[in-house]
Amino acid sequence: GIQVEQSPPDLILQEGANSTLRCNFSDSVNNLQWFHQNPWGQLINLFYIPSGTKQNGRLSATTVATERYSLLYISSSQTTDSGVYFCAPGPSGTYKYIFGTGTRLKVLA
Amino acid sequence: EAQVTQNPRYLITVTGKKLTVTCSQNMNHEYMSWYRQDPGLGLRQIYYSMNVEVTDKGDVPEGYKVSRKEKRNFPLILESPSPNQTSLYFCASSLQGRGYGYTFGSGTRLTVV
Repeated sequence: GIQVEQSPPDLILQEGANSTLRCNFSDSVNNLQWFHQNPWGQLINLFYIPSGTKQNGRLSATTVATERYSLLYISSSQTTDSGVYFCAPGPSGTYKYIFGTGTRLKVLA
Repeated sequence: EAQVTQNPRYLITVTGKKLTVTCSQNMNHEYMSWYRQDPGLGLRQIYYSMNVEVTDKGDVPEGYKVSRKEKRNFPLILESPSPNQTSLYFCASSLQGRGYGYTFGSGTRLTVV
């Protein structure tokens, strides 16, 4: 099955810093989502992005499906950005999503 | 308010005692799915449903059952829970087709002793 690798596994930033989170996947996909799990455990959908680039406020995401990776950019980070970020590609021909093990982000005030 | 509601939020039970975790969505979503989250393993899909009476196995279906008799409800049934099913469970729903992301429930933390 598809392998999903997220990097870095852990990241500590000062408030105001920018960061890039990466998601590599081993097979072709026709769906991909990014999620944020906050410190209280809630999972929030950030982007549905099987290809191309999207922006939502300080967050943006780019997926290059032909090269099998996706990037999540966080600019001017805030303490409320802390938590775990998951990418979940959906392999072509299926209705499943396979989650990576996440990037744990801590933003310090 | 558009949401996915899971109940209960917390549950401690004993090995072998049948239990049901309920999931209900009010967004008229066709697609619903159950995941379990374990430390170091991320989220793994248990079962999913494309619509009423259409369900299929995810990656870790052993020991679980589901049903989809109504569009809004997708209960997860553990017929004979075992300690290795101790986990954090999430229900998710979305509209069918490309372009639609998941909405997750708040999670159910299950402990089987």
